[in-house]
Parts: sequence; C-alpha cells; structure tokens
Amino acid sequence: NAGVMQNPRHLVRRRGQEARLRCSPMKGHSHVYWYRQLPEEGLKFMVYLQKENIIDESGMPKERFSAEFPKEGPSILRIQQVVRGDSAAYFCASSLNPSGDTSFYEQYFGPGTRLTVT
Amino acid sequence: DQQVKQNSPSLSVQEGRISILNCDYTNSMFDYFLWYKKYPAEGPTFLISISSIKDKNEDGRFTVFLNKSAKHLSLHIVPSQPGDSAVYFCAATNAGKSTFGDGTTLTVKP
Repeated sequence: NAGVMQNPRHLVRRRGQEARLRCSPMKGHSHVYWYRQLPEEGLKFMVYLQKENIIDESGMPKERFSAEFPKEGPSILRIQQVVRGDSAAYFCASSLNPSGDTSFYEQYFGPGTRLTVT
Repeated sequence: DQQVKQNSPSLSVQEGRISILNCDYTNSMFDYFLWYKKYPAEGPTFLISISSIKDKNEDGRFTVFLNKSAKHLSLHIVPSQPGDSAVYFCAATNAGKSTFGDGTTLTVKP
C-alpha cells in the first residue's frame, strides 16, 4: 500500500512563473490537507479538501493560491505569479473521513515538495 | 494568535533518560491531540494520539498526557534512544482540521 505521494520533490521557479504541486493520497483516503513550512517555522495549515469539494481554506492566501481535488487524479496546489516569499516546503497529508471515529484524524504525510523561487 | 504552542524549540537528553516534550493550547474546542515526528527532508509521521476524554495514552516507550484544565499536553519518551532525535510536532484537532505547533527539536546523545 503506497503512502502519500508528492511530486515533484523539488521545484525551482523564477519570480512570476506558476508552480503546480501534486499530491496523491493514500489508497482509500478521501481527505487531503496542504501545509506550508517556512524555514525555521512549523507546519501551517493551508487548505482541507474532499473529492471535488473544499472543506476549509482558511489558511490559504487570498490571492495567487488555489487548490483542487478532482474526482479523478491527484490533488493540485497551484501558485500563480510566484514570489520569493513563496519559497518553502509544501506538505500534503491524507486521512480517512475525519467525521467518523476520532482515530481517523490521523494524517499521513507525503515527503513534501520544496519550492525555491529565484 | 497561535492556538498551539511548543515553547521549547529544542531539547537535549542523554541516551536512556526520559525526554519530556510539552505543548500548550488555547482553544477548548480541540477534541483530539496528536504527536508527529519529523526527520529532515521527510514528511511528518504519526506517533501517538489522545482523545480529549482521556488523560493518558501509552504505546511502548511513548506516553502522552493530557491536562484539560491546564490546556496542556506532554509527550514522554523513556528510555530515550539516539534514533529518537528528530523534530516533534504536537497537533490539536477540531472538526477534522489539525493545528500544529512550531515543533521541538529533540537531540538524544549517546
């Protein structure tokens, strides 16, 4: 059973370009979360998605950032017109439906995508 | 406004001794608490959790304690091993959404 997969592992973009980060959840998991970790900081929640539905995007910057989790295929975190401040590690996690047993709150993380904006 | 705080950025202990990592939270709506461990260049991995209706959960060398009145939880590792050296994040959950602390870097010296 493959774990959470993220690609690419490393992404370099020039200022103004677009960055697309992909996340394939664990098999059987229907909920996906995106986090950002800036250097020397902890994990900051960005967005929580279910298939074809955004549950909570309270951590997403209002502009340039968007996320989707289509019926088929991976979840995508998209950053338009990247700036140097977007350089960070972006982690995706997945879980079973957390509205059930509280043990379903356990999230399984991917290895992250390290975005560098030059 | 940081709802989950890990006030010690780092902790160093001797192999074989106890490691105690602390975490404080402010939101009384959190109903489930988790600890994750992270090695460099990897994603966090789930370690142990506790429901808000309990005050202790034990799994091998790892024990998590929850003090709801103080809004405080701690992770005890005993005996500590060099392989435990990593960054430890506590997370508090409400309605399926987890809020993470900034992490504590644990170093276990041989």
